[in-house]
Amino acid sequence: NAGVTQTPKFRILKIGQSMTLQCTQDMNHNYMYWYRQDPGMGLKLIYYSVGAGITDKGEVPNGYNVSRSTTEDFPLRLELAAPSQTSVYFCASSGQGTYGYTFGSGTRLTVV
Amino acid sequence: DQQVKQNSPSLSVQEGRISILNCDYTNSMFDYFLWYKKYPAEGPTFLISISSIKDKNEDGRFTVFLNKSAKHLSLHIVPSQPGDSAVYFCAANLLNGNKLVFGAGTILRVKS
Repeated sequence: NAGVTQTPKFRILKIGQSMTLQCTQDMNHNYMYWYRQDPGMGLKLIYYSVGAGITDKGEVPNGYNVSRSTTEDFPLRLELAAPSQTSVYFCASSGQGTYGYTFGSGTRLTVV
Repeated sequence: DQQVKQNSPSLSVQEGRISILNCDYTNSMFDYFLWYKKYPAEGPTFLISISSIKDKNEDGRFTVFLNKSAKHLSLHIVPSQPGDSAVYFCAANLLNGNKLVFGAGTILRVKS
């Protein structure tokens, strides 16, 4: 049982490039989330999904897009990367709303 | 506007002593609170939680206290162990909500 798997673990992007952060879970969870962690700022919610085909913005959605075509996958797309998007990104899933997130191990992204 | 605040960025404690991590919140509509623990290069993992209808929840060495009138909760670790050294995040769920709001985290160092 892999839980929540994020790829890649590390990535360096140049300003203006695009990339997709992958997130997949094998627990048949309906709820999935993308957070970013900046030093001293805790975890900020970017986007979330309560089921396949349903997504909604979180606290800091600008510069990102998501899709949820299957229960298992919740990719996060960065278009036109900016230095402000340098962060550690965490994907999480839950089968019971907020009562028990399972997090992935994170993707450390640097935009130069 | 930070709805969940952890005002102590770090805490250092001697092995065997008590660790007390604090968290304050501003939104009276939060109905459930959680603590997550995070080691370097890993995703956060769930530690302990408390419903707003309770004032204490205990799980082994970990106890969470909730003071609703003061909008304050705390995590007590007794006795502290070197393996407890990690970042601790306080999180809160909004009534009828489906996403968590996280604090900035507190780095706990337990010295042996």
